[in-house]
Amino acid sequence: GAVVSQHPSWVICKSGTSVKIECRSLDFQATTMFWYRQFPKQSLMLMATSNEGSKATYEQGVEKDKFLINHASLTLSTLTVTSAHPEDSSFYICSARVSGREPKKDSYNEQFFGPGTRLTVL
Amino acid sequence: SQKIEQNSEALNIQEGKTATLTCNYTNYSPAYLQWYRQDPGRGPVFLLLIRENEKEKRKERLKVTFDTTLKQSLFHITASQPADSATYLCAFPWRFGAGTRLTVKP
Repeated sequence: GAVVSQHPSWVICKSGTSVKIECRSLDFQATTMFWYRQFPKQSLMLMATSNEGSKATYEQGVEKDKFLINHASLTLSTLTVTSAHPEDSSFYICSARVSGREPKKDSYNEQFFGPGTRLTVL
Repeated sequence: SQKIEQNSEALNIQEGKTATLTCNYTNYSPAYLQWYRQDPGRGPVFLLLIRENEKEKRKERLKVTFDTTLKQSLFHITASQPADSATYLCAFPWRFGAGTRLTVKP
């Protein structure tokens, strides 16, 4: 259980276009989803935290107008990279926390990660 | 600012030996710390969580320690196997270290 999918798995686009990446929790509800970016041989950098039904919380240095996040339901969050440029090329990964778990248990803070989306901007 | 550092970028060991990975943090007192495994081109997979009031936690061949005085966590894989080769990440909510790439040679 606790599977997270991402679509597409890879995308190539021209500079200046917008790209939407979907993150879905397939067999559980996720009140909170996270979006990360990972450059080659570097660790995951948290971009934003999204809660269902409210605005996303962005990390310092992440442009909210460039990286639009929508968490429309308990199973779907989307990240739209607007006016993409080559420097936006990266591996984008989402994760989700399972709603309703008991706070005192280890599993409460467990994140389930999607397989990632490789974005290449030409 | 809060920092989480994994000292070794890469670690090579022989099959059957114990791998020990280090994670240090500064300017933070996390209530818990997590360890993940990441294979190339894939998202991380959760392995273990250790809380600030726990000294040690085990899961099969994995063992994690947490020293809040030293601000350090150690991650051990005993009887290592080539299949354990991967990058291992430590994290506290919701920030990750750079990872240590472990290679277990047969």
